Amino acid sequence: DGGITQSPKYLFRKEGQNVTLSCEQNLNHDAMYWYRQDPGQGLRLIYYSQIVNDFQKGDIAEGYSVSREKKESFPLTVTSAQKNPTAFYLCASGRPARLKQPQHFGDGTRLSIL
Amino acid sequence: QKEVEQNSGPLSVPEGAIASLNCTYSDRGSQSFFWYRQYSGKSPELIMFIYSNGDKEDGRFTAQLNKASQYVSLLIRDSQPSDSATYLCAVIGGTSYDKVIFGPGTSLSVIP
Repeated sequence: DGGITQSPKYLFRKEGQNVTLSCEQNLNHDAMYWYRQDPGQGLRLIYYSQIVNDFQKGDIAEGYSVSREKKESFPLTVTSAQKNPTAFYLCASGRPARLKQPQHFGDGTRLSIL
Repeated sequence: QKEVEQNSGPLSVPEGAIASLNCTYSDRGSQSFFWYRQYSGKSPELIMFIYSNGDKEDGRFTAQLNKASQYVSLLIRDSQPSDSATYLCAVIGGTSYDKVIFGPGTSLSVIP
């Protein structure tokens, strides 16, 4: 089945630790996105990528890093510089936004601090 | 002014009534409009999209777009308790041509 797979579903981070959230899609989508959602809040864009080997900062990129070495994969690293990482992280993919098509979401990863 | 605005709610409607959710956007060049439904603790799910002025119907859902007023709405007819969720309005186009801009969402509660 085609879809977007995020792993793990739940993740715990220790103080000073970097953690990486996985996002894989088999929909042949060029564009991929990472969002952060805090309880009762909307989606905030962290990073996005319209093509392999290229990505742009979103509205809240500080303390996060990404890579886009393969079309199917867009992992997000939450670094120790992100002092308040507890949130629900959502990965999305779609056709390039200039084609005006909707994006679709994975099931998300919940990150908490130990 | 935020790029995409929605009433945060919560919006409460009785079962069987019409729920009306509203969204306004600031970029006049915006061209594509989407509605997502997000159940508590789950990821957003696309339920409607609209590109042209007017109405678009899909089952109990109707999306309405008025580009002159920079306004898009979602009507849910015969509301059911299972419609209780947060509804996110999203916009592409204009100056934000390379990414989707999401509104903060409206929480809907359908009372049995």
